[in-house]
Amino acid sequence: DAGVIQSPRHEVTEMGQEVTLRCKPISGHNSLFWYRQTMMRGLELLIYFNNNVPIDDSGMPEDRFSAKMPNASFSTLKIQPSEPRDSAVYFCASSLDELDTQYFGPGTRLTVL
Amino acid sequence: KNEVEQSPQNLTAQEGEFITINCSYSVGISALHWLQQHPGGGIVSLFMLSSGKKKHGRLIATINIQEKHSSLHITASHPRDSAVYICAVSRVDSNYQLIWGAGTKLIIKP
Repeated sequence: DAGVIQSPRHEVTEMGQEVTLRCKPISGHNSLFWYRQTMMRGLELLIYFNNNVPIDDSGMPEDRFSAKMPNASFSTLKIQPSEPRDSAVYFCASSLDELDTQYFGPGTRLTVL
Repeated sequence: KNEVEQSPQNLTAQEGEFITINCSYSVGISALHWLQQHPGGGIVSLFMLSSGKKKHGRLIATINIQEKHSSLHITASHPRDSAVYICAVSRVDSNYQLIWGAGTKLIIKP
């Protein structure tokens, strides 16, 4: 299997622009996680999907952030409008089920100028 | 006090040394995870365990549920083992929500 795929790997944008991050989980995995990693706060769970349904979005920082999972093989995380404080590495991870090993994608390094 | 504590925070050792990284937690857990993050940023899950011991190559992870403590051991360490090692626990009341340790930065010198 190709593992968890994320795109783009790097994104540089200007404040106020819309940013869309994409994730393809491992086939057959029912759970999908979006994380954000910063030096200050470490790894934070933004949202958790199970069987394509958002179960917990309490980690989404504010209304500027939204996530969708239209099918079992694709998820997006959107930031609109982006702000410099959104600069971070965003990881997508998937697992067979909620209590199972999580497999991480390579991450998207987002820089908002 | 953090719910997951790792020690040491930083560790530098010579190639070939036996390495131990410790993790203590204060909450009820379903499982404990050890992950590795390389300087390039990628995160790899090494182990998920809820009891006993697991071994993969030169890596060994143990957990003592009664003492709420886990250790990650690396035998015959190599410079390519240099990375940040992270302990995380799945809470018993919320399996998907991982509580993360701060990580241990390991440097193995040739």
